[in-house]
Amino acid sequence: AQSVTQLGSHVSVSEGALVLLRCNYSSSVPPYLFWYVQYPNQGLQLLLKYTTGATLVKGINGFEAEFKKSETSFHLTKPSAHMSDAAEYFCAVRITGANNLFFGTGTRLTVIP
Amino acid sequence: DGGITQSPKYLFRKEGQNVTLSCEQNLNHDAMYWYRQDPGQGLRLIYYSQIVNDFQKGDIAEGYSVSREKKESFPLTVTSAQKNPTAFYLCASNSGGTGSYEQYFGPGTRLTVT
Repeated sequence: AQSVTQLGSHVSVSEGALVLLRCNYSSSVPPYLFWYVQYPNQGLQLLLKYTTGATLVKGINGFEAEFKKSETSFHLTKPSAHMSDAAEYFCAVRITGANNLFFGTGTRLTVIP
Repeated sequence: DGGITQSPKYLFRKEGQNVTLSCEQNLNHDAMYWYRQDPGQGLRLIYYSQIVNDFQKGDIAEGYSVSREKKESFPLTVTSAQKNPTAFYLCASNSGGTGSYEQYFGPGTRLTVT
């Protein structure tokens, strides 16, 4: 079975500080992993994805994530938070054998001026 | 511009009424999905369709129905049998082919039933 766990439903950081949003997955085979961002009352937008190859993946808006198989993790980071980063972030894993994605419960990021 | 449209943005209904949410895509994607989003619960899959005239139940299909008569359209009907229909509903699509598993999302419809 595949699942995704996002540690911390709410994360607050100061403007300019490091952003770290945690995601751990459980999968019996190498997964495809995704991070999405959602602004209030909007749909989800893809930030970045890992399929195969390089384990450090760079995305939009200065975000990046590193696939660590030994830790079954895919944490999202950004060196310096901006006010515009305040949103909800979802980690997702592709379900093997199908096109479906399984989403974590989300982490709401607050950026403090 | 290619994308997914959902209408309306906000929808209000009385309890006991069926309501249909629209989802249209012009991305030429084969697969389409409906999710329900509630605070603190992430996205839960209601129904999905990999091809025209075929669809499968997701994790929370009870009280919902769908159709897929055209590639571009995947409407969701929230029936009176759905016990707690007030939620934010998201439609998504992807090409369905190997190596393109990311899903593209519409802007969502917020349904309020009183």
